[in-house]
Amino acid sequence: QSVLTQPPSVSGAPGQRVTISCTGSSSNIGAGYDVHWYQQLPGTAPKLLIYGNSNRPSGVPDRFSGSKSGTSASLAITGLQAEDEADYYCQSYDSSLSANVVFGGGTKLTVL
Amino acid sequence: QVQLVESGGGLVKPGGSLRLSCAASGFSFSDYYMSWIRQAPGKGLEWLSYISNTGSIIYYADSVKGRFTISRDKAKNSLYLQMNSLRAEDTAVYYCARPRYGGVDAFDIWGQGTMVTVSS
Repeated sequence: QSVLTQPPSVSGAPGQRVTISCTGSSSNIGAGYDVHWYQQLPGTAPKLLIYGNSNRPSGVPDRFSGSKSGTSASLAITGLQAEDEADYYCQSYDSSLSANVVFGGGTKLTVL
Repeated sequence: QVQLVESGGGLVKPGGSLRLSCAASGFSFSDYYMSWIRQAPGKGLEWLSYISNTGSIIYYADSVKGRFTISRDKAKNSLYLQMNSLRAEDTAVYYCARPRYGGVDAFDIWGQGTMVTVSS
């Protein structure tokens, strides 16, 4: 069981908007720690998509956006494209664990 | 070009040992904390350990504490993971990763990963 909870899968048609949630607790997201998001295409290493809750690294399209509120965070993808089909992971930090870097279980995005 | 290249993976028997390496290039290795992260087949990401830029601060996930040892060599721009008492559940792709800025931050640079298979 991951410390951060994500839905196992989400789907959407090309052009649509989808969101992926990341639910934590008072010892991680709710404690004010930043949330980061990664995209992992099949057979490749994860790629940083959003850092510091809502910031995009250079080169990441503005179709991707992140937000955080309370003990949860969300990744939104607008104008869905076929190449967005991938696994998405949230990551934060937890003050109650020795493993103070924590990942969500991952969400598989399917573009219909 | 900023790059991380892992090596050292392979097939090992339960109870055996393996040492992974991660060669860094294109950035000032000695300025960055570094982490090891793994991904079991078909599973999610699991952070394992990080080491501060000087090596003075080290953390481990409970799943590997006491069995794995992280280290770094400034002269060789390399990160290491010594893995002892390996178990079947340690089978995974192992990635080294660098944070955006020196300390604990989002991981913006990842290696390609090296596969470790623990099986008799």
